[in-house]
Amino acid sequence: EAQVTQNPRYLITVTGKKLTVTCSQNMNHEYMSWYRQDPGLGLRQIYYSMNVEVTDKGDVPEGYKVSRKEKRNFPLILESPSPNQTSLYFCASNHLVGAFQETQYFGPGTRLLVL
Amino acid sequence: AQTVTQSQPEMSVQEAETVTLSCTYDTSESDYYLFWYKQPPSRQMILVIRQEAYKQQNATENRFSVNFQKAAKSFSLKISDSQLGDAAMYFCAYTGTASKLTFGTGTRLQVTL
Repeated sequence: EAQVTQNPRYLITVTGKKLTVTCSQNMNHEYMSWYRQDPGLGLRQIYYSMNVEVTDKGDVPEGYKVSRKEKRNFPLILESPSPNQTSLYFCASNHLVGAFQETQYFGPGTRLLVL
Repeated sequence: AQTVTQSQPEMSVQEAETVTLSCTYDTSESDYYLFWYKQPPSRQMILVIRQEAYKQQNATENRFSVNFQKAAKSFSLKISDSQLGDAAMYFCAYTGTASKLTFGTGTRLQVTL
């Protein structure tokens, strides 16, 4: 089954404790991205990757890191989480057709609470 | 930078009736794609419909159709014969050559009996 998986689905942590949210897709997609969703703000892109070892900042990259060592995986790292990073996080992936994105497939979301 | 505006934070429709959700966007590009995504209480993001800007014909998917007005930069979603399962948050999204997806702030749709 074609899918994007994220782990963990729910996470409660404390300020400053490093954490990683994993993301994996089995569709051989070139493009992967991370979003955060906050009430009244919609989804905002954190980082994206157009292929292995190619990553770039989205609209709200502060406080986050990513890596793309393998095509299928795109982990999101919070080195020193703060309460303002409490949010719902989505990973997504899609094929690229020239300069354009095909339809994005989303993971189930990770709800993060930073105390 | 591209922006997407959904001016209706909440909408309500009676079961079996038709409702239209509004979306406008701002871009200087001529080629791009537009999407509507549905987010039910499960929080899963589900693609509802997609429109390529170069196509003049409006996209349709069963009870869902769009009214794409390229000159006006408008992309509204029409839901016909509304069902209780249509209750969700709906997001309009834009992607062009910048290789990113820009979302609106969403419209919460309530379906009443």
